[in-house]
Amino acid sequence: DAGVIQSPRHEVTEMGQEVTLRCKPISGHDYLFWYRQTMMRGLELLIYFNNNVPIDDSGMPEDRFSAKMPNASFSTLKIQPSEPRDSAVYFCASSPVNSNQPQHFGDGTRLSIL
Amino acid sequence: DQQVKQNSPSLSVQEGRISILNCDYTNSMFDYFLWYKKYPAEGPTFLISISSIKDKNEDGRFTVFLNKSAKHLSLHIVPSQPGDSAVYFCAASFQGAQKLVFGQGTRLTINP
Repeated sequence: DAGVIQSPRHEVTEMGQEVTLRCKPISGHDYLFWYRQTMMRGLELLIYFNNNVPIDDSGMPEDRFSAKMPNASFSTLKIQPSEPRDSAVYFCASSPVNSNQPQHFGDGTRLSIL
Repeated sequence: DQQVKQNSPSLSVQEGRISILNCDYTNSMFDYFLWYKKYPAEGPTFLISISSIKDKNEDGRFTVFLNKSAKHLSLHIVPSQPGDSAVYFCAASFQGAQKLVFGQGTRLTINP
């Protein structure tokens, strides 16, 4: 079975540019999560969706960050305008409706803002 | 406010010996705990979990112990193998909630 698929795997762009990260969750999973991993803050939850509806976006750092889930098989995380401090690895994860089922992670997008 | 803490950034263990990774938490409302393993350039993968109604859960070479009174959990790997070299994250959540809080991770190196 295909796991969580993220694209691109690497993104290098200049400060001020718009960045869009993409995620395809595992089919049948009702929950989708966006995480950011940095040396300083570790792995932190940014936002998560249930059945395409955002449930908790308290981890989104600023208004420059936005996330959407237009359908059950696709989500985007957008940063506009991007800043060097946004450089990190961004992970997407999905899980089934049973809360005791673990989250399955994609391989991440390594983002570098110059 | 770091609610889940892994105080050892790294650990080095001889192949065949036991690896013990530790994790402390501050929020007594957490009642479900997980360990994830992460290789470079890959996402974290689920390893083992434990509910607060238990104090031990075992899966092959991996055992997780939970001490609720001390707000402490540990992961034991025995015997340790070279393929176990990775970063290990502990995570905590509330039953019925999907939100996970992760520790900072411990890099485990198994030496031949």
